[in-house]
Amino acid sequence: KNQVEQSPQSLIILEGKNCTLQCNYTVSPFSNLRWYKQDTGRGPVSLTIMTFSENTKSNGRYTATLDADTKQSSLHITASQLSDSASYICVVTPSGGYNKLIFGAGTRLAVHP
Amino acid sequence: SQTIHQWPATLVQPVGSPLSLECTVEGTSNPNLYWYRQAAGRGLQLLFYSVGIGQISSEVPQNLSASRPQDRQFILSSKKLLLSDSGFYLCAWSKGRTYNEQFFGPGTRLTVL
Repeated sequence: KNQVEQSPQSLIILEGKNCTLQCNYTVSPFSNLRWYKQDTGRGPVSLTIMTFSENTKSNGRYTATLDADTKQSSLHITASQLSDSASYICVVTPSGGYNKLIFGAGTRLAVHP
Repeated sequence: SQTIHQWPATLVQPVGSPLSLECTVEGTSNPNLYWYRQAAGRGLQLLFYSVGIGQISSEVPQNLSASRPQDRQFILSSKKLLLSDSGFYLCAWSKGRTYNEQFFGPGTRLTVL
């Protein structure tokens, strides 16, 4: 069964600190893996996308890594800001052109001053 | 540029009442359209998707239905709401095949009392 598991479920850090969010998936084969940021009460917004052949992708202070062998991805946030407080969702697209994405439950990050 | 609208933003309805949520996309043609429901602490659940006018695929058996009367309009409906229909409903669009990014609307918070 295709699944995406994220950890931790929630995380609290102080402003300015770094953090790393984890995503493990069983989707195989897959086309790409995305990280989305979802502010409370809003729709998700894409941060990064990686194909199965890519190892890392950056978007400002956000850096995503992908290990296709171990089926793990991480999202590293550098020098966190209060505006980083949100849910971060890992999404895997199975190969085959079907329209369904596989969503993780997300990690809720709170950045405190 | 493309934009996606959803309304209403919030809705409180009694059990047994009808439902109509609307989603419209601007700035693109022939988009794939999606309805998701997001429950607290869980990943997004795909409810319906549509690849064209009048073409609706249902992913989960339920008392909800979807319609696409126009190319860029997607409607989520119910004849009689259940308590379990409460949640955050997200509409999304993508261009072409599933490995293209899905862009999400702002969402509708539905509370059934």
